[in-house]
Amino acid sequence: GENVEQHPSTLSVQEGDSAVIKCTYSDSASNYFPWYKQELGKGPQLIIDIRSNVGEKKDQRIAVTLNKTAKHFSLHITETQPEDSAVYFCAARAYTGRRALTFGSGTRLQVQP
Amino acid sequence: DAGVIQSPRHEVTEMGQEVTLRCKPISGHDYLFWYRQTMMRGLELLIYFNNNVPIDDSGMPEDRFSAKMPNASFSTLKIQPSEPRDSAVYFCASGTVSGSSNTGELFFGEGSRLTVL
Repeated sequence: GENVEQHPSTLSVQEGDSAVIKCTYSDSASNYFPWYKQELGKGPQLIIDIRSNVGEKKDQRIAVTLNKTAKHFSLHITETQPEDSAVYFCAARAYTGRRALTFGSGTRLQVQP
Repeated sequence: DAGVIQSPRHEVTEMGQEVTLRCKPISGHDYLFWYRQTMMRGLELLIYFNNNVPIDDSGMPEDRFSAKMPNASFSTLKIQPSEPRDSAVYFCASGTVSGSSNTGELFFGEGSRLTVL
């Protein structure tokens, strides 16, 4: 089955700096890669996603890049703000078979004011 | 819509007791997922349903765990008997998955925090 690895497990940045979180996946059949943000006491919430026919996608201060050859994808957050502090999860899903997302282990991002 | 609704939000029970967690998915969603979150194992899939039918229960830890979806608006996850190692946050999520594009957002509930003493 799919295996998703995520790094780093914790990340601390100063407000206004950029943050980068990286993930690798194992199943070459995976073609959908979402990122979820989980705030304290809440369930994860989708913030951005990318399909394998696209190399990069941006939405205001967040962007995701995908390298299918290397089987890795990354989340980039620019101009970080204290409200970006949360746990971020990457995930992957194949276009055939199991319809469930396989999640990475999570990154706890702390933005210092 | 009110989103995915889970109950109870918190449950503290003693080892050996039966625990039932409940989920009401968003109306119109044809997929329902149960995930478990722990510090050690992260977010792991337990089981998922499509149109109320269990599709993949390979993540269910053992026979002590069972899940049902009697109709499109309700699902339960039962643990009997419960053990301390079952302590975790259990999330229910619902969504639709486009067959052709394989996209489809999952909407998570706020989770049920289970503590087994």
